[in-house]
Amino acid sequence: NAGVTQTPKFQVLKTGQSMTLQCAQDMNHEYMSWYRQDPGMGLRLIHYSVGAGITDQGEVPNGYNVSRSTTEDFPLRLLSAAPSQTSVYFCASSYRKQGPNTEAFFGQGTRLTVV
Amino acid sequence: SQQGEEDPQALSIQEGENATMNCSYKTSINNLQWYRQNSGRGLVHLILIRSNEREKHSGRLRVTLDTSKKSSSLLITASRAADTASYFCATDAWGNEKLTFGTGTRLTIIP
Repeated sequence: NAGVTQTPKFQVLKTGQSMTLQCAQDMNHEYMSWYRQDPGMGLRLIHYSVGAGITDQGEVPNGYNVSRSTTEDFPLRLLSAAPSQTSVYFCASSYRKQGPNTEAFFGQGTRLTVV
Repeated sequence: SQQGEEDPQALSIQEGENATMNCSYKTSINNLQWYRQNSGRGLVHLILIRSNEREKHSGRLRVTLDTSKKSSSLLITASRAADTASYFCATDAWGNEKLTFGTGTRLTIIP
């Protein structure tokens, strides 16, 4: 099983550039989410989705867009990168948010540097 | 703001000793989970405890939950060098579809 796959693993952007971080899962999970991890801050939720066609904001959504056109994919878009978005980004998925199977599976992360 | 905060922020112990880390959270929860993160890797789920449970075991892991104090503890017994990692608690709540993480405890096992 591939689990949760994130691409790319590393990326350097110039301020103002745009890019999309890809996330795909092959476990037929309904719930998917994006987090950013900064030193001393733990993981902060950016956006999440409870199913195809449904997305919602997390704790730190500004500067990021998401869409969920399929169950498998949940891309994260940075429209105009800023140095404050330098971080490690993690995508996660889980079978069902409110129920017995709430274990989250994480991708390996994307390390993004904005210069 | 973070829902959970782990204590201590960092912990170093000798191999074979027990490691205890704590998590405090702010609002009522449905589930509390513990995750491990090895350096440079994604998080891996360790154990989940529900709000109506007080203690749970999994191998060398023991988790307790005190909802009256809004706190949980993770005990790792007979620590090994491979347990060196950061440990995070995460909570969710009824009617709130977000899984919120704490700031983590960095555990170092000294061989």
